[in-house]
Amino acid sequence: GENVEQHPSTLSVQEGDSAVIKCTYSDSASNYFPWYKQELGKGPQLIIDIRSNVGEKKDQRIAVTLNKTAKHFSLHITETQPEDSAVYFCAASGVDDSWGKLQFGAGTQVVVTP
Amino acid sequence: KAGVTQTPRYLIKTRGQQVTLSCSPISGHRSVSWYQQTPGQGLQFLFEYFSETQRNKGNFPGRFSGRQFSNSRSEMNVSTLELGDSALYLCASSLAGTEETQYFGPGTRLLVL
Repeated sequence: GENVEQHPSTLSVQEGDSAVIKCTYSDSASNYFPWYKQELGKGPQLIIDIRSNVGEKKDQRIAVTLNKTAKHFSLHITETQPEDSAVYFCAASGVDDSWGKLQFGAGTQVVVTP
Repeated sequence: KAGVTQTPRYLIKTRGQQVTLSCSPISGHRSVSWYQQTPGQGLQFLFEYFSETQRNKGNFPGRFSGRQFSNSRSEMNVSTLELGDSALYLCASSLAGTEETQYFGPGTRLLVL
């Protein structure tokens, strides 16, 4: 089955700097890659997603890139703010037998210091 | 549109008991997926239901079961609770369940003593 690895496990950045989180996946048939943000006491919230027919997608300060050949995708957050502090998860989906299943990475704890 | 709701939000049980958790998906969504989240294992897929049928199942013992009703609301049941079942149980809904955005509820925090 699909396996997703996520790095780093923790990331400390100064407010205003950029943050980058990287994920690799094992199943070349996967073709949907969402990113979620989870704050303390809440469920994961989708922040951006990308499909395999797209190499890059942006939404204001957030961007995701996908390299299908290398089987890795990355989340980029620019001009970080204290409210960006949370745990971020990458995920992969899309194999024929994966109805309703997202395979998640282990998560990255992002801390933005003022 | 109202988001995904889960009840109860918190639950304390003792070993050997059973528990039922409920999930109401976003209106119009027919797929409901369940996940277990623990510090050690992260987010793990339990099962997915679509139109009252289980279409997919993760690697969990048979003590974990679920069902879906005709209005797409779903329940999951854990029988003979073990200490290791303590976790945050999350449900997520989507329109049809494949390669689509899943919207998560706030979760049910289960503590087994």
